[in-house]
Amino acid sequence: DAKTTQPDSMESTEGETVHLPCSHATISGNEYIYWYRQVPLQGPEYVTHGLQQNTTNSMAFLAIASDRKSSTLILPHVSLRDAAVYHCILRVKEGGSAKLIFGEGTKLTVSS
Amino acid sequence: GGIITQTPKFLIGQEGQKLTLKCQQNFNHDTMYWYRQDSGKGLRLIYYSITENDLQKGDLSEGYDASREKKSSFSLTVTSAQKNEMAVFLCASSPSLGAETLYFGSGTRLTVL
Repeated sequence: DAKTTQPDSMESTEGETVHLPCSHATISGNEYIYWYRQVPLQGPEYVTHGLQQNTTNSMAFLAIASDRKSSTLILPHVSLRDAAVYHCILRVKEGGSAKLIFGEGTKLTVSS
Repeated sequence: GGIITQTPKFLIGQEGQKLTLKCQQNFNHDTMYWYRQDSGKGLRLIYYSITENDLQKGDLSEGYDASREKKSSFSLTVTSAQKNEMAVFLCASSPSLGAETLYFGSGTRLTVL
């Protein structure tokens, strides 16, 4: 199965723009890149996803490398509420089914 | 909007015990999932169901049974709890199997004494 690699942790300060990297060197052509985030005692929450083009929504900007072997989730002007574990995930299709394979994620700490 | 409710939130069991975790969703989603999350690790798929009465094994199905008797509910059974086991079990749903977004519950935290 295709795998992602993320740093274990990153630190930031309120108001900064944070860049969360993800490596997926063995990504297949039909695999989407998803980002979820998870705070303690809660399940993961969808952030964004993309295939090849950069995407943006109210939560984040997703930059995808032209060769698709890496991506970066960009969080503008982070607040304390953005502190979470951020999971970079590839959506795999096998025999017509589809499932998300979660890695270990990056723990983002935000200080005031 | 909808919500996914998992019960119980905390579950303490004894070694060898059979334990059942329940999940309800009011999104009217077709597909539901059970994931296991161990401390410091990613989520691993145990079972999923694409519609009522359907069951599909994930990567970690050994030691578990699942049941999807209604569209809105998906139960997971730990067939024989392992001593000192600690994990969080997360239920999720999506509109269809190929849908883009999964919606997660808050989890059931299992401790086996």
